[in-house]
Amino acid sequence: DGGITQSPKYLFRKEGQNVTLSCEQNLNHDAMYWYRQDPGQGLRLIYYSQIVNDFQKGDIAEGYSVSREKKESFPLTVTSAQKNPTAFYLCASSIHRGLDTDTQYFGPGTRLTVL
Amino acid sequence: KQEVTQIPAALSVPEGENLVLNCSFTDSAIYNLQWFRQDPGKGLTSLLLIQSSQREQTSGRLNASLDKSSGRSTLYIAASQPGDSATYLCAVVPNAGGTSYGKLTFGQGTILTVHP
Repeated sequence: DGGITQSPKYLFRKEGQNVTLSCEQNLNHDAMYWYRQDPGQGLRLIYYSQIVNDFQKGDIAEGYSVSREKKESFPLTVTSAQKNPTAFYLCASSIHRGLDTDTQYFGPGTRLTVL
Repeated sequence: KQEVTQIPAALSVPEGENLVLNCSFTDSAIYNLQWFRQDPGKGLTSLLLIQSSQREQTSGRLNASLDKSSGRSTLYIAASQPGDSATYLCAVVPNAGGTSYGKLTFGQGTILTVHP
């Protein structure tokens, strides 16, 4: 089956800890994205990557970091500098980079809770 | 800065009704507009994508229209069913004077409940 997988589904973090959320896709998509969703709100873009070894900040990148060492993987690290990390995190991918007409396909999400 | 607003925030209808969800955006310079469905605690599923040059798109019981000049889109659902219950999100890809690399700006969503 082709698709986007995210793990874990639920994640609990103590204050002051860094945690890494996994996102993997086997769709052979060039572009990958990370979004954050808070209750009753739409999604906000954290980081995006159009090609391996390249990524750009989105609207709310502070306190987050990413890497793109492989085409199929785009992990997100939530650092201790992120003051309000409790949220639902969604990863997405699209087939082409630099083409704005492509549909984005989303993973099932990771719910992060800070204890 | 592009802002996307969805009205109503929540909607409850009896099964079988036709319904309309509304989406408005502040800047008409967009590449496309997309409608997504989100079930509770799940990811997003793409429903329809309308290019900036198009007026509408249809898929089954769903029809989405786009009026770029007025900054509005509507999602029409015909003959609603309990299985349509979900949150519906619209999102635009802003045209920032160059490629925006597919960066979506989302509305806050409309929570739809279709009761038997």
